[in-house]
Amino acid sequence: DSGVTQTPKHLITATGQRVTLRCSPRSGDLSVYWYQQSLDQGLQFLIQYYNGEERAKGNILERFSAQQFPDLHSELNLSSLELGDSALYFCASSLTSGSGDTQYFGPGTRLTVL
Amino acid sequence: DQQVKQNSPSLSVQEGRISILNCDYTNSMFDYFLWYKKYPAEGPTFLISISSIKDKNEDGRFTVFLNKSAKHLSLHIVPSQPGDSAVYFCAASINTGNQFYFGTGTSLTVIP
Repeated sequence: DSGVTQTPKHLITATGQRVTLRCSPRSGDLSVYWYQQSLDQGLQFLIQYYNGEERAKGNILERFSAQQFPDLHSELNLSSLELGDSALYFCASSLTSGSGDTQYFGPGTRLTVL
Repeated sequence: DQQVKQNSPSLSVQEGRISILNCDYTNSMFDYFLWYKKYPAEGPTFLISISSIKDKNEDGRFTVFLNKSAKHLSLHIVPSQPGDSAVYFCAASINTGNQFYFGTGTSLTVIP
């Protein structure tokens, strides 16, 4: 158990809909990262927050947005969903924002868009 | 553009033998590399890392080798155990940035 929790575990929805994925980092960790893993793909970095502020942005679509709240939990919002958005979405946390920090991953949320 | 590549999607090894997982990268600015292990229905778990100032880092049965000139790193597992069966991802980052680039993973099966 990494200490990172993600809810829900599974989500099935229809095209055009909007969903919110939630992540609680390990106790004491200030950074939260979001990744997408599509079929046969590596983990694609989406976005990072550090202590409530956006720190780095990767290949995140404009239809997607995220935020980190004062209690350090984070939410990833996916809107106008398309079939291609079906994937595993992982959240990770680390103590600081440096790349030398180990990232601890949650179990992921599997999103299926029908 | 895949900056970190794992060209072998799968690998099978007999228990007790050495497992060698390979990873290539294209960005010469990468200076920190990690290996993660992932079991089904779980998130990736950190395994071992190496900074670009080193060419080898060892932790128990796991050793990571870095060849900067070839932009290549490898993970050696000796001896391999059935519990090592998992998907292994390599990742790389630039120390001044916060973004990790992951490979597509290699599925290791250790045959008892």
